[in-house]
Amino acid sequence: DTAVSQTPKYLVTQMGNDKSIKCEQNLGHDTMYWYKQDSKKFLKIMFSYNNKELIINETVPNRFSPKSPDKAHLNLHINSLELGDSAVYFCASRQSLYNEQFFGPGTRLTVL
Amino acid sequence: GNSVTQMEGPVTLSEEAFLTINCTYTATGYPSLFWYVQYPGEGLQLLLKATKADDKGSNKGFEATYRKETTSFHLEKGSVQVSDSAVYFCALILMDTGRRALTFGSGTRLQVQP
Repeated sequence: DTAVSQTPKYLVTQMGNDKSIKCEQNLGHDTMYWYKQDSKKFLKIMFSYNNKELIINETVPNRFSPKSPDKAHLNLHINSLELGDSAVYFCASRQSLYNEQFFGPGTRLTVL
Repeated sequence: GNSVTQMEGPVTLSEEAFLTINCTYTATGYPSLFWYVQYPGEGLQLLLKATKADDKGSNKGFEATYRKETTSFHLEKGSVQVSDSAVYFCALILMDTGRRALTFGSGTRLQVQP
């Protein structure tokens, strides 16, 4: 009965590689987010989709590309990984008209 | 712009001590306010929320009151337990804009000793 799930939980990769993180929610929500948490625990919004439409695109390198195949899924693809991309990436979802966001367990990305 | 400022941690307390974690905000509109908690190795869980001035959010013995006049949303608990050790994030969201993404404070780590 997991509400917001992410795969993988841990991802260790070399600089220059391309990787994807997947997120799925079974709450019936229509808005999904990607947040990045850096090594100092600071959390910042990266992207948001509403009904498969991109509505927030923060100042993020264009190596990061989100994709929402349907309302229940939001994936994050990262090209040419850099050391500074090492972080924990959290997916979240929300139903329109409500302000509460539900978070996934996070994906810890380590770039070597 | 919008921002949230939290007291720096870590906050170290003995079990059964009183907890206060300060949070103040600036916002271009009328925000909803939240406290999220992150236990070691886990994701974020909503702890409590308040959507308008003078609302009090409460959960698991934690409380916070939305103070518009002081733009604050301080987190309190009367008697902390070891199991409360975690990182606590204050956050806001503006529902009257198309953005509707959370703006977080920097987090405050709480360590409760037996």
